[in-house]
Amino acid sequence: AQKITQTQPGMFVQEKEAVTLDCTYDTSDPSYGLFWYKQPSSGEMIFLIYQGSYDQQNATEGRYSLNFQKARKSANLVISASQLGDSAMYFCAMREGGTNDYKLSFGAGTTVTVRA
Amino acid sequence: DVKVTQSSRYLVKRTGEKVFLECVQDMDHENMFWYRQDPGLGLRLIYFSYDVKMKEKGDIPEGYSVSREKKERFSLILESASTNQTSMYLCASRPPRREDGYGYTFGSGTRLTVV
Repeated sequence: AQKITQTQPGMFVQEKEAVTLDCTYDTSDPSYGLFWYKQPSSGEMIFLIYQGSYDQQNATEGRYSLNFQKARKSANLVISASQLGDSAMYFCAMREGGTNDYKLSFGAGTTVTVRA
Repeated sequence: DVKVTQSSRYLVKRTGEKVFLECVQDMDHENMFWYRQDPGLGLRLIYFSYDVKMKEKGDIPEGYSVSREKKERFSLILESASTNQTSMYLCASRPPRREDGYGYTFGSGTRLTVV
């Protein structure tokens, strides 16, 4: 079964607007972590934000925030005030606990294109 | 900052060739990983290593092997390259447990084409 689902293959957003990227996950482990990575056309994966399953508050990092809805198993990324440099592919990933805690499982990714 | 360096950005190899993809990290991390990335599939784990000479299979190890003779270097080996191994290969390194959410630092990737 797919552990991470990103249902939006591609999105367009106007510069300076906010955009929400959807991510749902599937795990029965009570301890897990959720990550978002950005991959520009250059290919490198850039870590954006992390949310632990026990964290009480939604994670924020500058213009990035993670809308964590635990009961719905949802971890959407919100990018505020989009910039042209935000055009990239974005991946949601999950680390589970226990013996699998080394491994990140990734979604298929969402391509974001920011229009001027 | 941790730096993970992959030796080649682009490679073109012939079917049946033995191919080596090299990855070096400079922060003394125990854990290193090889993923492949394909459109619509995201990243899939091929192999990982949690110490020198230690390795474990990931989700798609078939057709691949790895080598970790030194802590900083993790090599992915395609024993006999096939066209279905044409892909983007990403190496990653991870800090010790209980640091920074256990996230990875990635290299820039190697885009391999097998003809």
